[in-house]
Amino acid sequence: DQQVKQNSPSLSVQEGRISILNCDYTNSMFDYFLWYKKYPAEGPTFLISISSIKDKNEDGRFTVFLNKSAKHLSLHIVPSQPGDSAVYFCAANPSGNTGKLIFGQGTTLQVKP
Amino acid sequence: GAVVSQHPSWVICKSGTSVKIECRSLDFQATTMFWYRQFPKQSLMLMATSNEGSKATYEQGVEKDKFLINHASLTLSTLTVTSAHPEDSSFYICSARARQGRTQYFGPGTRLLVL
Repeated sequence: DQQVKQNSPSLSVQEGRISILNCDYTNSMFDYFLWYKKYPAEGPTFLISISSIKDKNEDGRFTVFLNKSAKHLSLHIVPSQPGDSAVYFCAANPSGNTGKLIFGQGTTLQVKP
Repeated sequence: GAVVSQHPSWVICKSGTSVKIECRSLDFQATTMFWYRQFPKQSLMLMATSNEGSKATYEQGVEKDKFLINHASLTLSTLTVTSAHPEDSSFYICSARARQGRTQYFGPGTRLLVL
């Protein structure tokens, strides 16, 4: 049972435009969400997180939106740059702070110059 | 801040040998460290969670006698793949979390190839 889903395996965007990556979850116990960026043969790099008490968190070009009623979150990258091309994973942490993260399958973003 | 290192970055070994991978948090104390495995074109699979000074908790289907985890200090955890076989070839990644934090910071990964 996939508790965190990224239904789009890939996304292609023109440089300078907005990239929107989506993530859905099924477990109501999740109360902390994170986005990671990963290049091949490297470990994931933390980008941004959001607690369930918020519906938006912004850090530079990255904004994460959380819609708890829809169990949906999204990552917006504006403006997109060619260096943003990578695999993006969303992850969820259940309440109770065990620290365990449940990852989505990842979305490959390609930003074209 | 929040830098995690892994050593070695890649290793090739013969079938039947044991391989040790180190994971270090360089600028923070990691009360909890996690070990993941990633197969090609797949997401990260959590293998085990280790808390400093206690035994690791393994995920279902992960053999604890095969993958030995030690978390002896707040900055170091090790994963030993014992009697490695070709099917153990994979990309192993560790992550670390500070005591009050909820964000995991990942190491760069270790590529293991068992011949």
